[in-house]
Amino acid sequence: DAGVTQSPTHLIKTRGQQVTLRCSPKSGHDTVSWYQQALGQGPQFIFQYYEEEERQRGNFPDRFSGHQFPNYSSELNVNALLLGDSALYLCASSWGQGREQFFGPGTRLTVL
Amino acid sequence: GEDVEQSLFLSVREGDSSVINCTYTDSSSTYLYWYKQEPGAGLQLLTYIFSNMDMKQDQRLTVLLNKKDKHLSLRIADTQTGDSAIYFCAESIRTGGSYIPTFGRGTSLIVHP
Repeated sequence: DAGVTQSPTHLIKTRGQQVTLRCSPKSGHDTVSWYQQALGQGPQFIFQYYEEEERQRGNFPDRFSGHQFPNYSSELNVNALLLGDSALYLCASSWGQGREQFFGPGTRLTVL
Repeated sequence: GEDVEQSLFLSVREGDSSVINCTYTDSSSTYLYWYKQEPGAGLQLLTYIFSNMDMKQDQRLTVLLNKKDKHLSLRIADTQTGDSAIYFCAESIRTGGSYIPTFGRGTSLIVHP
C-alpha cells in the first residue's frame, strides 16, 4: 500500500516565478491538506481540499492556491514567489474529517 | 486560539527513558498528537489521544495527558539511537467539518551512546 507521495523532491526557483507542487494521497483517503514548514519551525496549515473543493484555509495569501482532482490527488500553486516562500512543503492525506493525517516526504522549495 | 509550546532540545543516553513535554491552550474537545520527523523527511504520526483520556500506551510509547494543566507528555522507553529526531506535538479541534492540527516548534531529541 503506497503512502502519500509528493513531487518533485526538490525545486529551485527565482523570485517572481510560479511553482506547482503535486501530491497523491494514501490509498483510501479522500482529503488532502497542505502545510508549509520553514526551517526550525513546525508545519503551518495552508489549506485543505475535500470533494475537489477548498474546505478550510489557513492564514496564507491568495498567491497560494490549490486544486484537487477526481482521483483525490492535489496540486499546490504558488504565484509571484518571494524569498520567504523557501520552505519544505508537506502534503498530508486523511479520510473524511481528517482525525488521522498521514504526511508525505515533502517538496523542498528554494527561492533565489 | 490555539498555541502549542515545546522545549526545543532534549539529550538522553541510549537505554534511558526520554520524556518530551508539551503545553496547549485550547480547552474544548480536541485531539492531541505526537509526530516524529527525521532529517529530510516528512512527519510520521506516532500516536494521538482524545482530550477525555488520561493515558495511552503503545509499545515503547506512553502518552500522558493532564487536562487541568493542559500538559501533554510523550515517554519513550529504552531510547535507541534510531529515536534521534524532531518530535512535534500538535492539537486540533473540529472546525468547518474537519480537524486541522496546530503544531509546536518541535523538540530535537538527541540520543548518545
